[in-house]
Amino acid sequence: EAQVTQNPRYLITVTGKKLTVTCSQNMNHEYMSWYRQDPGLGLRQIYYSMNVEVTDKGDVPEGYKVSRKEKRNFPLILESPSPNQTSLYFCASSFGPDSSYEQYFGPGTRLTVT
Amino acid sequence: GQNIDQPTEMTATEGAIVQINCTYQTSGFNGLFWYQQHAGEAPTFLSYNVLDGLEEKGRFSSFLSRSKGYSYLLLKELQMKDSASYLCAVKDSNYQLIWGAGTKLIIKP
Repeated sequence: EAQVTQNPRYLITVTGKKLTVTCSQNMNHEYMSWYRQDPGLGLRQIYYSMNVEVTDKGDVPEGYKVSRKEKRNFPLILESPSPNQTSLYFCASSFGPDSSYEQYFGPGTRLTVT
Repeated sequence: GQNIDQPTEMTATEGAIVQINCTYQTSGFNGLFWYQQHAGEAPTFLSYNVLDGLEEKGRFSSFLSRSKGYSYLLLKELQMKDSASYLCAVKDSNYQLIWGAGTKLIIKP
């Protein structure tokens, strides 16, 4: 089944404790992206990747890191999480950034930082 | 700056028709997407428009006017399962998606 998977789905952590949210897709997509979604603000892009070893900042990259060592995986790293990073996070992928390709979303990771 | 505007919330009755509007101001235009998102779930793709006009897909249709920076999503024969948020997104000149905050649609019996 074609899908984007994320783990964990739910995470409660404390300020400053490094964490990684994994994202994997099995559709051979070149383009992958991380979003956070907060009430009233819609989806905001954190980082995106056009292909292996190519990553770029989105609209809200501060406090986050990513890597793209393999085509299928695009982990999101929070080196020192803070309470303002409490949010719902989505990973997404598509064949490319070109016009007509829709994005496929993972199920989401609900992160709470206390 | 780049901006996508949609109503925050709309209410409609089961079996009726509802139109959700989206206006945009972006740096360039490379297509407009509509996604559906049920509460707590991932967005799922509904439609894509790049040329002016109406695209019909079953009970759902999407319209685009590039000159007016305007789109709408039309949902016919509303069902309770259509209760969800509807997200409008535009690809700008750099092929980056700019997202609206979404319209929460409430369906009443």
